[in-house]
Amino acid sequence: GAVVSQHPSRVICKSGTSVKIECRSLDFQATTMFWYRQFPKKSLMLMATSNEGSKATYEQGVEKDKFLINHASLTLSTLTVTSAHPEDSSFYICSARPSGGVTGELFFGEGSRLTVL
Amino acid sequence: QQQVKQSPQSLIVQKGGISIINCAYENTAFDYFPWYQQFPGKGPALLIAIRPDVSEKKEGRFTISFNKSAKQFSLHIMDSQPGDSATYFCAATFGSARQLTFGSGTQLTVLP
Repeated sequence: GAVVSQHPSRVICKSGTSVKIECRSLDFQATTMFWYRQFPKKSLMLMATSNEGSKATYEQGVEKDKFLINHASLTLSTLTVTSAHPEDSSFYICSARPSGGVTGELFFGEGSRLTVL
Repeated sequence: QQQVKQSPQSLIVQKGGISIINCAYENTAFDYFPWYQQFPGKGPALLIAIRPDVSEKKEGRFTISFNKSAKQFSLHIMDSQPGDSATYFCAATFGSARQLTFGSGTQLTVLP
């Protein structure tokens, strides 16, 4: 299947700093990418839909100024957690939908574990 | 309307047994139903998926059964192996953006 690479896989930062997570589709172009947040032993919670060349669409309750999403190319979307606080500690996962894909398949990255001290 | 309900929350099966996980949905606009497998610390991986025009799909030891009238679908894992121990999520999609609505997950443990 298609490969989605997410980096970094783990990051530890101090409270108040900003952290950037990258999501790359390695062997396909993705017009649309999705960002999820997952708490321990819980399901994935959609945070936002990232569309190449346009502003991201955020789910209700997700602060767009807190979680900055940029989808500048067809293979790269970034999530920046600004002024991170301990409550932002979580597992963040991206997924990508191949452009022109008709099956509805989404391919997921390996996830990024953020720990804010 | 957008919710997908998944059960059981956890499941313990002996090696060689059949694991069955069930999901139910309300929104009849859903038109694609994938199952994902997730190991600890990893992202979900697509396992198998079905569309509503088919009542069953089988890939190796994994089978999806789909009941459109009951708005239910289930994952059957035949000859379950310890390596199948993971969390399984059912999901459904609707709309042009194809965003996924996930079930709550089932933690499967296959005992050796």
